[in-house]
Amino acid sequence: DTEVTQTPKHLVMGMTNKKSLKCEQHMGHRAMYWYKQKAKKPPELMFVYSYEKLSINESVPSRFSPECPNSSLLNLHLHALQPEDSALYLCASSQVVRGDSRDEQYFGPGTRLTVT
Amino acid sequence: DQQVKQNSPSLSVQEGRISILNCDYTNSMFDYFLWYKKYPAEGPTFLISISSIKDKNEDGRFTVFLNKSAKHLSLHIVPSQPGDSAVYFCAASGNQFYFGTGTSLTVIP
Repeated sequence: DTEVTQTPKHLVMGMTNKKSLKCEQHMGHRAMYWYKQKAKKPPELMFVYSYEKLSINESVPSRFSPECPNSSLLNLHLHALQPEDSALYLCASSQVVRGDSRDEQYFGPGTRLTVT
Repeated sequence: DQQVKQNSPSLSVQEGRISILNCDYTNSMFDYFLWYKKYPAEGPTFLISISSIKDKNEDGRFTVFLNKSAKHLSLHIVPSQPGDSAVYFCAASGNQFYFGTGTSLTVIP
């Protein structure tokens, strides 16, 4: 199983809503990532979890709150988002995060988020 | 500051011909490079990678070349097929993953 799954596929939310994005992998990977991708741009790293601990936060606003309940699951909690947060949110996993992050990352299909 | 750049936003190639996608980077500390393929509304799919100790890696129709002195890598697809039409991102690994800006490849039947 080399699959990373993400739910939901699409999400429309208002600026006062609270919602969560979910990501799951069963490859035994110990590193998981959240990326944000705007149209025609490369994915931008948001968070990295290594062995269920947050290791990198790329100065992401606090309205995005990641959570890693166990080694297979990664959540992204959303609250009070802005319309400019509308994007494709990608989850990825890799075997392990070492100092040089050389492991291939496997990506999920993404959640298309629209904030109205 | 974009540390990994793909200067061609788009490329069109006839089916059966070679597709060459280019990528330049600025950080000499990168030591691992990858290519991803992305279809619309899907996550990137890993294609092929190369370590900085090599200058070529081949996997079927895909070959990646690395020129460290020029800080340049390229992806060759031969023969190109219509199903190869997608956006291709190069990525470089240092203490983080850095994606290039992407090249949209269209293979014309």
